[in-house]
Amino acid sequence: GQNIDQPTEMTATEGAIVQINCTYQTSGFNGLFWYQQHAGEAPTFLSYNVLDGLEEKGRFSSFLSRSKGYSYLLLKELQMKDSASYLCAAPANQAGTALIFGKGTTLSVSS
Amino acid sequence: DAGVTQSPTHLIKTRGQQVTLRCSPKSGHDTVSWYQQALGQGPQFIFQYYEEEERQRGNFPDRFSGHQFPNYSSELNVNALLLGDSALYLCASSPRLAGGGPSYEQYFGPGTRLTVT
Repeated sequence: GQNIDQPTEMTATEGAIVQINCTYQTSGFNGLFWYQQHAGEAPTFLSYNVLDGLEEKGRFSSFLSRSKGYSYLLLKELQMKDSASYLCAAPANQAGTALIFGKGTTLSVSS
Repeated sequence: DAGVTQSPTHLIKTRGQQVTLRCSPKSGHDTVSWYQQALGQGPQFIFQYYEEEERQRGNFPDRFSGHQFPNYSSELNVNALLLGDSALYLCASSPRLAGGGPSYEQYFGPGTRLTVT
């Protein structure tokens, strides 16, 4: 079956580092996405990993292990504006580009 | 450069009614996907259109139908509304790859919040 799991909620303080984990099971594999969604807004693209390893983009990094069906999003130097839901997503199958999403991890950053 | 736009922003309907939601893709994008996002959940794929045809469909009943126009804009229609259809409906557009198929890269619009009473 197809399934994406991630923690429901996480809390952290300003300036800290937080790691949001995601495990997935999909039909075939064509990469893994991370999106950020602020309350009441559209998801915005953060990263797309196809190969194993860590990809860094400013304060955000994303890691993928295809053999373990595992990814994480690493957020450094947390800011209050990072409070949002973080969605892990993967293509549903190799026949098209429809994405299946996890339920999202709500991150609350406090001062 | 305008991003993905959706209308209306909010909508309140009664059970049994029909609703039409609209989406205009980002400039240069010709593929439109629709997602339903219930409160506290991740988006769920409804269907995808390009070249004015439905190319992929998620696990949604036939009450959900769509259309894509020659200018790549799209409509989502839902018939016989149920209370459970209350959700945020997101439209996402994608560019076409050099090889011809749609890209995995999806840009989301702000969504339409549908409330069914």
